[in-house]
Amino acid sequence: QSALTQPPSASGSPGQSVTISCTGTSSDVGGYNYVSWYQQYPGKAPKLMIYEVSKRPSGVPDRFSGSKSGNTASLTVSGLQAEDEADYYCSSYAGSDNFVVFGGGTKLTVL
Amino acid sequence: QVQLQESGPGLVKPSETLSLTCDVSDYSISSGYNWGWIRQPPGKGLEWIGSIFKSGSAYYKPSLKSRVSILVDTSRNQFSLKLTSVTAADTAVYYCARYNNGLRHFDYWGQGTLVTVSS
Repeated sequence: QSALTQPPSASGSPGQSVTISCTGTSSDVGGYNYVSWYQQYPGKAPKLMIYEVSKRPSGVPDRFSGSKSGNTASLTVSGLQAEDEADYYCSSYAGSDNFVVFGGGTKLTVL
Repeated sequence: QVQLQESGPGLVKPSETLSLTCDVSDYSISSGYNWGWIRQPPGKGLEWIGSIFKSGSAYYKPSLKSRVSILVDTSRNQFSLKLTSVTAADTAVYYCARYNNGLRHFDYWGQGTLVTVSS
């Protein structure tokens, strides 16, 4: 059982927007502004898409955005494209005891 | 562009020790940042195993702490993972990654290596 809770699946049609949630506790998501999101294609390594809740690394399209409210963080993908179909994982800093926690992952399907 | 490459046995017997090495290229491991290991059982999600700081201090997932050790070898520009007393539940793709401790995320990842625990 993962420390952070994500829906197993999400879907949308090309051009639409989809939001993936990531729910934790006040000891991780709610306690720090250190939520990150990773995209993973089958058989490939994860790729950083969002860090510090809402910041994008260089090269990540601005169609990807992040936010947080209380103990829940969200990743929104706007203007869905076929290449966005992948697994998405959230992660949070969880203090000096647990340090890093991940969500169980969400499979995003572009219909 | 920082590059990381995992290496080690792909098959380990139950009760034995899993040992992996991560070679870092195009970045001096002693320059800064921190380093970590993450694993992914087949068909499942990511699980943080542990991270080691430039200072040599290491943090481990509490449920694995008694079996894990991560070390840095600055002379070889690599870091390593040892996991003792393995069982089938430790079968996974193991990734090494660079950890940005200031911003709390993994920014560069290795391609991953599958380790199967089986007799």
